[in-house]
Amino acid sequence: DGGITQSPKYLFRKEGQNVTLSCEQNLNHDAMYWYRQDPGQGLRLIYYSQIVNDFQKGDIAEGYSVSREKKESFPLTVTSAQKNPTAFYLCASTRGTEQYFGPGTRLTVT
Amino acid sequence: GNSVTQMEGPVTLSEEAFLTINCTYTATGYPSLFWYVQYPGEGLQLLLKATKADDKGSNKGFEATYRKETTSFHLEKGSVQVSDSAVYFCALRVGGGGADGLTFGKGTHLIIQP
Repeated sequence: DGGITQSPKYLFRKEGQNVTLSCEQNLNHDAMYWYRQDPGQGLRLIYYSQIVNDFQKGDIAEGYSVSREKKESFPLTVTSAQKNPTAFYLCASTRGTEQYFGPGTRLTVT
Repeated sequence: GNSVTQMEGPVTLSEEAFLTINCTYTATGYPSLFWYVQYPGEGLQLLLKATKADDKGSNKGFEATYRKETTSFHLEKGSVQVSDSAVYFCALRVGGGGADGLTFGKGTHLIIQP
């Protein structure tokens, strides 16, 4: 089955630690995205990548970093510089005008 | 810039009621419009889309018409079910290259009571 996988579903970290969220797709899509979802805020774009070895900042990139070494993979690192990292993180990829989403990772930082 | 405004929730309806969730937008170019649905604890699923003015997107009994003159894309369903309870997001993208992400509304939480 083709799709987007994100792991883990729940992640807990202590403040001051970096953490990396996984996103893998087997849809052969070129473009991939990371969004952050907070209650009552909708989704906000963190980073996106159109092709391997290239990525662009979205609206709220501060405190985050990404890499795109393979077409299938677009991991997101939440660094200790992110002031309010607790949120639901969604990965997506695009075919044409349509975006397909993974199931999300809920990150809690205490 | 681009923005999407949708009605605040939660919206609570009885089963078999008629549903309308309003969505209006502003865009710097000519957008494609989308409705996504999110069930608790899950990612977003594309519900329907429209890519040009007067197009009607439809899926699973839901429909929405791209109204350029009123910059709107309201979601409707004639008879809702308990299983339709979820959060619904209106979104837009300007341009067809797929380069940028979507611009989302804040979401409308729909609760259907039996």
